[in-house]
Parts: sequence; C-alpha cells; structure tokens
Amino acid sequence: DVKVTQSSRYLVKRTGEKVFLECVQDMDHENMFWYRQDPGLGLRLIYFSYDVKMKEKGDIPEGYSVSREKKERFSLILESASTNQTSMYLCASNSAPGTDTQYFGPGTRLTVL
Amino acid sequence: GQQLNQSPQSMFIQEGEDVSMNCTSSSIFNTWLWYKQDPGEGPVLLIALYKAGELTSNGRLTAQFGITRKDSFLNISASIPSDVGIYFCAGHYGGATNKLIFGTGTLLAVQP
Repeated sequence: DVKVTQSSRYLVKRTGEKVFLECVQDMDHENMFWYRQDPGLGLRLIYFSYDVKMKEKGDIPEGYSVSREKKERFSLILESASTNQTSMYLCASNSAPGTDTQYFGPGTRLTVL
Repeated sequence: GQQLNQSPQSMFIQEGEDVSMNCTSSSIFNTWLWYKQDPGEGPVLLIALYKAGELTSNGRLTAQFGITRKDSFLNISASIPSDVGIYFCAGHYGGATNKLIFGTGTLLAVQP
C-alpha cells in the first residue's frame, strides 16, 4: 500500500513565523505535490516536483516555497506566515510522468493567528 | 488556474436514498477521477475513467465519463452513514503532464 505521511495533523503558528510542512512517501514515487484545500474552492495546486531538486509552480505559489532534497521527502515552506494562509494542506505523490492517480497524505490543518 | 464546476455544493439526505453529483469543464480531459475525503483525512481514489462514454462501478458507486469528454457523473445508490464526506472530481489532460485539475467538491451528509 502506498503511504504518504505528513509531519503534523494540526499546527498553530503566529503571523510572521517561518513554517515548515513536511511530507514523506514510501513508494519511490517521482512526483510529489502540495495542495491547499479551502471550503468551496476545492484543491488548489501550490507547487509540484517531478524529481529531486526539481520544482514547478502550481496555480497559487505566492507566499510559498518548496524543497526536495531527497526523493521521498517534499517540504512546503511559508517564509512569513500570514492569516490568509490558514488552511488545510495536502501532500500527494504518484509514480511517473502522465500517471493520473495521485495518493494523498492525511493533511495538515494550519492555523495562523 | 482552472477549476472544475462541481454540483451540487452540498447534499443532506436520508439513509437509503440515491445520490447524484456531476462535474463540468470547459476543457476536454483524457481521464476523469473521483475521490472521496473522509472527515479529517486526505482524499482517496474511488473510480478512474479512461474513455468517453465509459461507465464504471465500484460497489454502490457508479461513475460515467461524459461523451463530450467535458463532464463526468457519480452516483451512489442506497446511501449509508459512512458515505459521509467530501467528493471531488478531477480531470487529467493526458500526455506527460503531472497535474490534476480538481473540482470544488460536494459535501455529502447522510442522516441515519
């Protein structure tokens, strides 16, 4: 079974803090993704990575950066957290270019005060 | 970025009722996917559709890939309380692209 894990289920941070969200997958997948989920807006892609040290912007990359130093780990970084980044963050992975199915982690609910 | 129009936005039904939801796009997709997100969890794939007109079942769930390739439908028969959650459609353009385009989600509540 594919397993995608996220470092925290719930996180509370203050405005201006630097925030790291970690995601690890154990299936040797090439592709990894970060989404944010907001009510009524569905899932919106922030960044994705198709290989170690490779990244591409998704639809809403502003205010975020990412890091992929190892194949199994993909980190989302909020350089200076703001209240409008309060959201559910979901990590996903899949195995090869063009593969449609993505496997999701359980999500991190981030609250920025 | 593009998002898919998914309707209804929410549904509150009695146990045993059938449920229908749909997803429409302005673009053609090569693959349609339906995911379910249980409360407090990440989305899990329910059904994948690969051909226009295709009808695929997974237990009480049936999904269809629209003939125009711009829409898809999900039906749940004889709903039960564990069907509660958010249902997302997603489209894939095919080729080498890695991206999925997700719908806005349908929240389903089932009253026992």
